Amino acid sequence: EVQLQQSGAELGKPGTSVKLSCKVSGYNIRNTYMHWVNQRPGKGLEWIGRIDPANGNTIYAEKFKSKATLTADTSSNTAYMQLSQLKSDDTAIYFCAMDPFDYWGQGVMVTVSS
Amino acid sequence: DVVLTQTPPTLSATIGQSVSISCRSSQSLLDSDGDTYLNWLLQRPGQSPQLLIYSVSNLESGVPNRFSGSGSETDFTLKISGVEAEDLGVYYCMQATHAPFTFGSGTKLEIK
Repeated sequence: EVQLQQSGAELGKPGTSVKLSCKVSGYNIRNTYMHWVNQRPGKGLEWIGRIDPANGNTIYAEKFKSKATLTADTSSNTAYMQLSQLKSDDTAIYFCAMDPFDYWGQGVMVTVSS
Repeated sequence: DVVLTQTPPTLSATIGQSVSISCRSSQSLLDSDGDTYLNWLLQRPGQSPQLLIYSVSNLESGVPNRFSGSGSETDFTLKISGVEAEDLGVYYCMQATHAPFTFGSGTKLEIK
């Protein structure tokens, strides 16, 4: 059974960074893309970007190019997303998802507050 | 970026009623490989999104066959033939043909 287990909720101060993890079990992430999606409070879904864990190639939505950094560790079958220069506008739930969006993590709440 | 326009924004249905949701794209979602990467997802309250339909009309494994998808190029429809109580939530179309991938604004299904 494929499962995506995300790290716990984060509280970050403005200007700092957080790094989220998404550990996959039941499937080798080398054989897929890993996506990240966010959802601001009460809002819809927004695609952040994806990584090909086999070679580290990434694609980002334009607005997240200087905000998010996607990486992956194939030895631990885990995808990561670092969010930098946190602002209150980054407060959201962040999901990881396997391509083609058939498996999702449980989501992690990131709250940015001083 | 591709804009997906979903209508209606909210839908109220009784159990057993059939409903449809429309998703219109600002450009064709037909990929150069011949596939059309238009998916439908359901997000139940407090849960992660769940894939229902992929590539316009293919039912994801384990999804009840009361869900069906149709359409082509820029016009797509999700139909629920006989709404059940467990179908409440927000439905999103999303496209994975053109990067950046984009989602529709969602359709909230309420049960009367």
